[in-house]
Amino acid sequence: SQQGEEDPQALSIQEGENATMNCSYKTSINNLQWYRQNSGRGLVHLILIRSNEREKHSGRLRVTLDTSKKSSSLLITASRAADTASYFCATDASGNTGKLIFGQGTTLQVKP
Amino acid sequence: DGGITQSPKYLFRKEGQNVTLSCEQNLNHDAMYWYRQDPGQGLRLIYYSQIVNDFQKGDIAEGYSVSREKKESFPLTVTSAQKNPTAFYLCASSIGTYYQPQHFGDGTRLSIL
Repeated sequence: SQQGEEDPQALSIQEGENATMNCSYKTSINNLQWYRQNSGRGLVHLILIRSNEREKHSGRLRVTLDTSKKSSSLLITASRAADTASYFCATDASGNTGKLIFGQGTTLQVKP
Repeated sequence: DGGITQSPKYLFRKEGQNVTLSCEQNLNHDAMYWYRQDPGQGLRLIYYSQIVNDFQKGDIAEGYSVSREKKESFPLTVTSAQKNPTAFYLCASSIGTYYQPQHFGDGTRLSIL
């Protein structure tokens, strides 16, 4: 079963706007990771945030983690058409062997 | 350049046929993974290997088999027992299995003839 549930399933914005995607999960985790997938391609790792971290930045990306609510958000600021892709959260559950469990993803369309 | 190579990009299977998907990495990673992705869905883990000559079943291993005879190679065989094999198959690798990002190949799309 899927650990991560993402919201919204699809998001369409104009270039320059910010995009926020949310991920909720069910069990305690070691870390949570965000990946991007362009159509027909493999996934690309974006950010890993550990369970003892609350916020992490990488360029235009900002990830937050709230372990009390079992949720995470990915914010992309000043979006570009090239950000059009599907975004997945993946959790590494505590006590697990390092296996990742992926959510169903958010499809982001950035219109030029 | 280091990376993961999956081949072929497209593969067609006839009824009752086994097919093998190739995955090769030159990243010197210990761990390798196979995932299945259905349209509009996330990834589901088929098999993973933390070290050469060892592998474990993931969540949907039935109808699939793997081998890990070399560190850089982790082929996946889709057997005739897999009744619904049409999907996008992704191979990944990581340095280790804990707190490590995974690096993905560009996938193999398998269809039934």
